[in-house]
Amino acid sequence: AQSVTQPDIHITVSEGASLELRCNYSYGATPYLFWYVQSPGQGLQLLLKYFSGDTLVQGIKGFEAEFKRSQSSFNLRKPSVHWSDAAEYFCAVGDNYGQNFVFGPGTRLSVLP
Amino acid sequence: EAGVTQFPSHSVIEKGQTVTLRCDPISGHDNLYWYRRVMGKEIKFLLHFVKESKQDESGMPNNRFLAERTGGTYSTLKVQPAELEDSGVYFCASSRGVGYGYTFGSGTRLTVV
Repeated sequence: AQSVTQPDIHITVSEGASLELRCNYSYGATPYLFWYVQSPGQGLQLLLKYFSGDTLVQGIKGFEAEFKRSQSSFNLRKPSVHWSDAAEYFCAVGDNYGQNFVFGPGTRLSVLP
Repeated sequence: EAGVTQFPSHSVIEKGQTVTLRCDPISGHDNLYWYRRVMGKEIKFLLHFVKESKQDESGMPNNRFLAERTGGTYSTLKVQPAELEDSGVYFCASSRGVGYGYTFGSGTRLTVV
């Protein structure tokens, strides 16, 4: 069965600083990987996804993530954080049909002015 | 295209009462999923419909929870009777199928007092 870990429960960065949120997964086959964001009072919004091909994936809002099979990681990055990025971020892995998601516990991002 | 719609957005009920949550998926999405996040814990899978059939209901916590998707369109999730530990956010998602990822609704926040 697949599993996801997000080692950082809470991260605080200053506006304009770079950001990296860590995600490690466990899955026997090629994983389908996703990052979602939940802003306060909002639903889960898809930031980006990886199925195959280029291991560097571009998403919305200036986010990107890199799939590293050797490290079983799919870390999310943004070069310059905006105050509106404050939210909770979830990494998820789907099975080989891209279904039956397992979510990580989430990382809460706070942004200092 | 219209997104996944869930209502109510919030519900506060007393222990022992019944609550019904509704999810309207994106038109044409045969796959519909229910997830929940209780007490700030991880987002957990509840069940998966393909059209009107339950593909996987392994995540349903107990027989107080009943999900239906009559006609393969909208879905309801009934909790009867509600218990305090059922409090949390219930998310619905729909998908066109393999490789497309999910589109989540904004969730229903259920509070059982």
